[in-house]
Amino acid sequence: DSGVTQTPKHLITATGQRVTLRCSPRSGDLSVYWYQQSLDQGLQFLIQYYNGEERAKGNILERFSAQQFPDLHSELNLSSLELGDSALYFCASSEVQGSYGYTFGSGTRLTVV
Amino acid sequence: TQLLEQSPQFLSIQEGENLTVYCNSSSVFSSLQWYRQEPGEGPVLLVTVVTGGEVKKLKRLTFQFGDARKDSSLHITAAQTGDTGLYLCAARRSNDYKLSFGAGTTVTVRA
Repeated sequence: DSGVTQTPKHLITATGQRVTLRCSPRSGDLSVYWYQQSLDQGLQFLIQYYNGEERAKGNILERFSAQQFPDLHSELNLSSLELGDSALYFCASSEVQGSYGYTFGSGTRLTVV
Repeated sequence: TQLLEQSPQFLSIQEGENLTVYCNSSSVFSSLQWYRQEPGEGPVLLVTVVTGGEVKKLKRLTFQFGDARKDSSLHITAAQTGDTGLYLCAARRSNDYKLSFGAGTTVTVRA
């Protein structure tokens, strides 16, 4: 157990639907990061939150959004889902900057049918 | 183009053999990290290297950061089946919050 908790572990949904992925960071970590991993794209950075504020944005689609709540858990919302959104979604956490590494959760496997 | 280029993409060796995985870039990094990922799990941090020329050892794994802080290598001595996995290097440029990952090297150690 890495200390980073992601739910659900698996999600199957239809095109056009909306889903919410949840992440609880490791105790004491203030930064949360979301990554998407697919076979052809590898691990792609989506977005970072630090202590409730958006800190950095990667190639996150407009159909995707995220937030970090006062208790530091984070949610990634994916809407108008397309087949190509099928992937593993990972949450990671770190102390302030993460200069010495991230702790990843076990991921949510999203399948859009 | 990827910020970090890893080679080889796939590596299959017999138990007891040695292997080296490379991570290269044209950018200079303040630090570089190596992770290992097993199927169905998230990446797990193995090491962070910070100083150019730095060498770190973790049991049978040796990590080296290039003198110019643009590249790194991971060497495994006497590989075991438990070393099987996807090895990822990751780094952040000094003016960037984003941690970028290489595409990874899939290592298979056969018994």
